[in-house]
Amino acid sequence: NAGVTQTPKFRILKIGQSMTLQCAQDMNHNYMYWYRQDPGMGLKLIYYSVGAGITDKGEVPNGYNVSRSTTEDFPLRLELAAPSQTSVYFCASSYSLLGTYNEQFFGPGTRLTVL
Amino acid sequence: QQQVKQSPQSLIVQKGGIPIINCAYENTAFDYFPWYQQFPGKGPALLIAIRPDVSEKKEGRFTISFNKSAKQFSLHIMDSQPGDSATYFCAAPILRRAGGTSYGKLTFGQGTILTVHP
Repeated sequence: NAGVTQTPKFRILKIGQSMTLQCAQDMNHNYMYWYRQDPGMGLKLIYYSVGAGITDKGEVPNGYNVSRSTTEDFPLRLELAAPSQTSVYFCASSYSLLGTYNEQFFGPGTRLTVL
Repeated sequence: QQQVKQSPQSLIVQKGGIPIINCAYENTAFDYFPWYQQFPGKGPALLIAIRPDVSEKKEGRFTISFNKSAKQFSLHIMDSQPGDSATYFCAAPILRRAGGTSYGKLTFGQGTILTVHP
């Protein structure tokens, strides 16, 4: 199993440009997540999905959009890039949201710089 | 509004020392407190987790202690090694309510950068 994969690894955008961060998992997990990680701020949840066709906002959704057409894929879209979106983005997945065991498996991250 | 507060933000110890990282949380949906470890350039990965009905969990050199009445839990690393240098995140299933349903949303602390000198 490849686990959670993310592309690209690095990207530099100009202000106002758009891009899609790709995420895929091969563990047949229903739950998928997008986080951003800023220095000293920990992991902030952007969006999450509980299954194909179902998504919901996390703590910091402004400026981002998501879709979930298949169990495997959960792309994150930035429509009008701003310098405040400079961050490291992590995609994660888990078997369950409810219940007593909720390990999240993380991808390797995408480092995005907006200039 | 920080529902999981982690301290310290950074920690430096000598090899063999016992770094301790602390987390405090607000209301949780259930007792499940994992710690994630992240090396530079990598995504976080589950290190150790404590489940209901136990106050301590040990795996190798890593121990979680849990104080339910104080709503706190901590990570201890015995005989720390330079290879333990990483960022550590605690997490807790913070109680959320939506549409008449209660559930736990795994919420992460701010992270602790640990450096172990040789």
